[in-house]
Amino acid sequence: QVQLVQSGFELKKPGASVKVSCKASGYRFTSYALNWVRQVPGQGLEWMGWINTKTRVPSYAQGFTGRFVFSVDTSVNMAYMEISSLGPEDTAVYYCTRDITTASFDSWGQGTLVTVSS
Amino acid sequence: QSALTQPASVSGSPGQSITIPCTGTSGDVGAYKCVSWYQQHPGKAPKLMIYDVSSRPSGVSHRFSGSKSGNTASLTISGLQAEDEAYYYCSTCTGASTIFGGGTKLTVL
Repeated sequence: QVQLVQSGFELKKPGASVKVSCKASGYRFTSYALNWVRQVPGQGLEWMGWINTKTRVPSYAQGFTGRFVFSVDTSVNMAYMEISSLGPEDTAVYYCTRDITTASFDSWGQGTLVTVSS
Repeated sequence: QSALTQPASVSGSPGQSITIPCTGTSGDVGAYKCVSWYQQHPGKAPKLMIYDVSSRPSGVSHRFSGSKSGNTASLTISGLQAEDEAYYYCSTCTGASTIFGGGTKLTVL
């Protein structure tokens, strides 16, 4: 069955970087785009952008340019989301999710809580 | 782009039907047939309930249905059950991006 398994909880200090991983299984990895979604505790879902898993070309939503980098390693069916220069405002749960048609996300990782605190 | 507009909360009794509206603009909801709906229980990842306005993924109950009229999409849940109590989010594509609604908390009384 289709599964997306993300890396675990991260506690980081302001100014540090974090790299969240997302391991895909149960389907042909390069046949579907991978999207990233942020959820600040107690708030709603926010689309961060996506990466074409075949061409490895990422696209970022407004507000997620500059400090955010999406990448993939197709040899191990992994996607990554890296944030640099972390601040308290980056504290959130980050989800990777598979896109089955245009903006329809049918499989989700379990989420990775990133907490930024001094 | 602004988030789609959803009511903060709706409620209904077991067995009843409820509808959650999701209002956008002629540039997003009104322009594309890619509205999706997600259910999220506390502490869990979202689950796709409806895609492409009214299509149901395999395994999703027929009690869930979606529709769209103009700039407003809607999710209807019939025969409410206790397990339906959750947050519901709509989303749509907007050409090169995706936007979510603010979310609606469904309470089953």
